[in-house]
Amino acid sequence: GQNIDQPTEMTATEGAIVQINCTYQTSGFNGLFWYQQHAGEAPTFLSYNVLDGLEEKGRFSSFLSRSKGYSYLLLKELQMKDSASYLCAVVDSNYQLIWGAGTKLIIKP
Amino acid sequence: GAVVSQHPSWVICKSGTSVKIECRSLDFQATTMFWYRQFPKQSLMLMATSNEGSKATYEQGVEKDKFLINHASLTLSTLTVTSAHPEDSSFYICSARGTGEPYEQYFGPGTRLTVT
Repeated sequence: GQNIDQPTEMTATEGAIVQINCTYQTSGFNGLFWYQQHAGEAPTFLSYNVLDGLEEKGRFSSFLSRSKGYSYLLLKELQMKDSASYLCAVVDSNYQLIWGAGTKLIIKP
Repeated sequence: GAVVSQHPSWVICKSGTSVKIECRSLDFQATTMFWYRQFPKQSLMLMATSNEGSKATYEQGVEKDKFLINHASLTLSTLTVTSAHPEDSSFYICSARGTGEPYEQYFGPGTRLTVT
């Protein structure tokens, strides 16, 4: 079967750095997305990785290792508005998105 | 660019009635649209995939006669929840995929359905 694993919840302090991990086992791989979702709202796109390595975009960076079936989202200089759920999703061989359950990130002052 | 709208943003209906939710891609042609359902504190659950001009493909366990999907144009898909029951109360989100994109899905803002 197909499986995406992420921690259920994480807590971090304003101004700090946090890394959210995602491991996957899917039938084929055509890229991995990270989305941010605030409560009661639809997900918004953060990043897309299809090759190994680190993609940096402002305060957010995303890393991918296809051989390990592993990705992480790194958030720097945390702000209170970063409190949200972060969803990892993998594009499988049928070009369908397989979603993780999401990681709820709580930012404390 | 790549804006997707949904209407209505929230709706309350009585048990047994039908509700139609619209999903529109405003500035691109959506060859494929997806309908998701999300219950509180749970991840997105794909309900069905629709390609313009063809019948929708439903995920296992989703009743196609209850959740009617129409994708009549490259910019509009509709989801009709027929004979709604309280257990259908959920957050319904559509997303759209264009051509030439890295399989990214652009999400609508979602529709909160409450069935009383």
